[in-house]
Amino acid sequence: QAQLVESGGGVVQPGRSLRLSCAVSGFTFSHFAMHWVRQAPGKGLEWVGGISFDGTRNYYADGVKGRFTISRDDSKGSVWLQMDSLRPEDTAIYYCARGQTRWDTWGQGTLVTVSP
Amino acid sequence: EVVMTQSPVTLSLSPGERATLSCRASRSVGSNLAWYQQKPGQPPRLVIYGASTRAIDIPPRFSGSGSGTEFTLTISSLQSEDFAVYYCQQYNNWPPLTFGGGTKVEI
Repeated sequence: QAQLVESGGGVVQPGRSLRLSCAVSGFTFSHFAMHWVRQAPGKGLEWVGGISFDGTRNYYADGVKGRFTISRDDSKGSVWLQMDSLRPEDTAIYYCARGQTRWDTWGQGTLVTVSP
Repeated sequence: EVVMTQSPVTLSLSPGERATLSCRASRSVGSNLAWYQQKPGQPPRLVIYGASTRAIDIPPRFSGSGSGTEFTLTISSLQSEDFAVYYCQQYNNWPPLTFGGGTKVEI
């Protein structure tokens, strides 16, 4: 069945960078848009951004635009979230999710902590 | 940006009771509304999309209704596994894709 596995989270200082990965399996990756959604500790869900099925279009939330970049490689079955100029408010669990605008498959998430 | 508002914040009910969760959009989103269930330590799970269509493997005690700006998720008879946080999400006007703040269904 469809599976998404995130990795790359950790503790990072403000202003530094981190790259999250999402490895997919069990479905035809090239047919699906992919998104990243985050959840700050004890808080609700927040959409971060997404990439179209063919990789030609990217979409970002205003709070991360210009700092975060989403990319994909269908041959590797992976989507990435490059996070630059990290801020303490970026601290959250980051989930990758499958789908164009609503998501039927989610990974387990990876925790990013931005702290001095 | 479409702002999604959920009520109540917390719903305290017993197993077997009916749960009614509300979600309001700041402007019309048509039927482009999804509901997710999230249990502690787990990712969200899609429950309803298109305002009223159950996702795969979702039992029929879950139903969604509404269109435009007012939506409802109903759980007809709460089971122990239904106690969780529920989020609505609109996908009509984006970016950004936006969620409500969540409703916690607790015992």
